[in-house]
Amino acid sequence: NAGVTQTPKFRILKIGQSMTLQCTQDMNHNYMYWYRQDPGMGLKLIYYSVGAGITDKGEVPNGYNVSRSTTEDFPLRLELAAPSQTSVYFCASSYRGTNTGELFFGEGSRLTVL
Amino acid sequence: GENVEQHPSTLSVQEGDSAVIKCTYSDSASNYFPWYKQELGKGPQLIIDIRSNVGEKKDQRIAVTLNKTAKHFSLHITETQPEDSAVYFCAAESNDYKLSFGAGTTVTVRA
Repeated sequence: NAGVTQTPKFRILKIGQSMTLQCTQDMNHNYMYWYRQDPGMGLKLIYYSVGAGITDKGEVPNGYNVSRSTTEDFPLRLELAAPSQTSVYFCASSYRGTNTGELFFGEGSRLTVL
Repeated sequence: GENVEQHPSTLSVQEGDSAVIKCTYSDSASNYFPWYKQELGKGPQLIIDIRSNVGEKKDQRIAVTLNKTAKHFSLHITETQPEDSAVYFCAAESNDYKLSFGAGTTVTVRA
């Protein structure tokens, strides 16, 4: 049972480069989320989706884009990487939203922008 | 939006002792308070949660208490074991259905 799978696990980018963090879940969850985790700062919500074709901004969306063409996949796009985007990124999913369903997290993607 | 503060940031306890982590929240409309445990190199995992209509909840060695009047909630781990060493996050959710997380507490259980 794979759960939430993120790729890549590690990546180093140069300033101005673009990349996509992939996230897929096999639990048929409606809700999917992207968080970033910075030391001493907890988890900050970047974007979330309540179903295929629907996305919305979270707390820190600037510099990122998302799409949700299928229930399973929720990629996060960085268009012009900046050092401030150095972080650990977590994708998560839940069946009915965080108040009524447990969040299941992937193992994270560590991104360094130099 | 919701603001969640978590204390302490680090906690070292002797194996067998208890550990307590405290969180406060700002939005009085918040009604759901989960706790997540993150082991090294892994994503966070839900360990216990509590809703606003309950004051306390227990699950084996872990318990959570909620004081809605004071807007704070706490995680209690009794008889700590080495496998309890991890980072613990509290969170709160208000009517916008989005979780706000605390900054995390690194718990180290000394053998």
